[in-house]
Amino acid sequence: AQSVTQLGSHVSVSEGALVLLRCNYSSSVPPYLFWYVQYPNQGLQLLLKYTTGATLVKGINGFEAEFKKSETSFHLTKPSAHMSDAAEYFCAVSDTGGGNKLTFGTGTQLKVEL
Amino acid sequence: NAGVMQNPRHLVRRRGQEARLRCSPVKGHSHVYWYRQLPEEGLKFMVYLQKENIIDESGMPKERFSAEFPKEGPSILRIQQVVRGDSAAYFCASSGTSNTEAFFGQGTRLTVV
Repeated sequence: AQSVTQLGSHVSVSEGALVLLRCNYSSSVPPYLFWYVQYPNQGLQLLLKYTTGATLVKGINGFEAEFKKSETSFHLTKPSAHMSDAAEYFCAVSDTGGGNKLTFGTGTQLKVEL
Repeated sequence: NAGVMQNPRHLVRRRGQEARLRCSPVKGHSHVYWYRQLPEEGLKFMVYLQKENIIDESGMPKERFSAEFPKEGPSILRIQQVVRGDSAAYFCASSGTSNTEAFFGQGTRLTVV
């Protein structure tokens, strides 16, 4: 069975500061890992995904994540937060490269303050 | 290109009524997934369908819930005899194959009163 743990249900950063959202996973097979963002009353938008190959994955809006197999982690970072980054972020794992039966974490609400 | 379209966006039902949630996938996508998001929780997989077939329904409650994806028309998630605990956001996603990115709709927010 697969599972995802997101540490910190709420994270607050100042505008311009580093964003770090933590995600650890458990999987019995090589995982496919995803980060999604959800704005209020909206659906989920894919930020980035790791399937195979390079462990540092770059996504949209300046976000990136690094797959660390030894730490079973896939933390999301952005060097400089913007007010528009305020949203809820979900880490997810799958045993396929697509949308088949994603297992989501409980989400991290990111607040960006002036 | 239109994305995944879900309707209605908001649905209010009284306890004991039926709720029907519709999902039109991205044009050309034949794989549909339904997820449920309870308050303060992440999304939980419910069911995976291809045209006219249920591939994986391991996340569906055993009673009152059903889903279909007919040859023509949208996918339907049906909840019979709704209870307060069914209040949640229900999201549909679609993909072209099982190994390609799934695109999510904006969800249907069901409130049972």
